[in-house]
Amino acid sequence: QQQVKQSPQSLIVQKGGISIINCAYENTAFDYFPWYQQFPGKGPALLIAIRPDVSEKKEGRFTISFNKSAKQFSLHIMDSQPGDSATYFCAASWGAQKLVFGQGTRLTINP
Amino acid sequence: KAGVTQTPRYLIKTRGQQVTLSCSPISGHRSVSWYQQTPGQGLQFLFEYFSETQRNKGNFPGRFSGRQFSNSRSEMNVSTLELGDSALYLCASSLFVQGFNYGYTFGSGTRLTVV
Repeated sequence: QQQVKQSPQSLIVQKGGISIINCAYENTAFDYFPWYQQFPGKGPALLIAIRPDVSEKKEGRFTISFNKSAKQFSLHIMDSQPGDSATYFCAASWGAQKLVFGQGTRLTINP
Repeated sequence: KAGVTQTPRYLIKTRGQQVTLSCSPISGHRSVSWYQQTPGQGLQFLFEYFSETQRNKGNFPGRFSGRQFSNSRSEMNVSTLELGDSALYLCASSLFVQGFNYGYTFGSGTRLTVV
C-alpha cells in the first residue's frame, strides 16, 4: 500500500515531442503528489506538484494529470528538449509524512 | 536564497567504521528528512526531524541514526558500516506551516562508498 509504481523505466523521445511518464498508487490517504527531476551528481529538484482536489496542473511545458478514481497520475513534458534529459521521479505523501518515491524514469531527448 | 547544503560531498570509508553526514536546511525550514538512494532500491526514506524531534522513521536498522540541532541543522550517523551502505545520501528540508507542507527541497547529497 505504500508503493508508488512508475513506468516506463526508460523513455526516448525526439526533440519537440511529448514525453509522458505514468505513476500509480494504492494508498488513498496520499494527498500530495510531486514530480522530481534529477541530473547526474545532483539531488532531485521539485518540478511540479499536485493535490487530489484538482485534475490537472500546468507549469510551462510541464503538466500533471491526476485521476483520483483510477489512483493514477502522470507527467507530460511538451515540446521536449535535450536539456530535459534526466531521471524523473514521481512521489506521494500524506499529511506531514515521508515521501514515497517511484522507481524513476530515465528520459533521453534525441536532438 | 541558499539551498540545502550537505557536507561532505564524497566519502570513502572502510567496513566496520562509522560515518557522520551533515545537512544545513534552507533558512526557516524546520523539517529535515534523510533519504538513501541506490540503483537497486531507488530513493528510500530514512527519517525526518522537526524542531529537534524525530517525527518519522523508515525501515532501516538501528545502525542508522540522526539528530537535529536547535538551528535546524541535522546530522545522520551510520555505525558499523557495511558494503551495502554505499549510496547517495540525500537531505531534504521543507517548510511546514500549520500542518501544510510547502514541498521538499533536496541537497546534492553525500556519496558514501564503503570498501
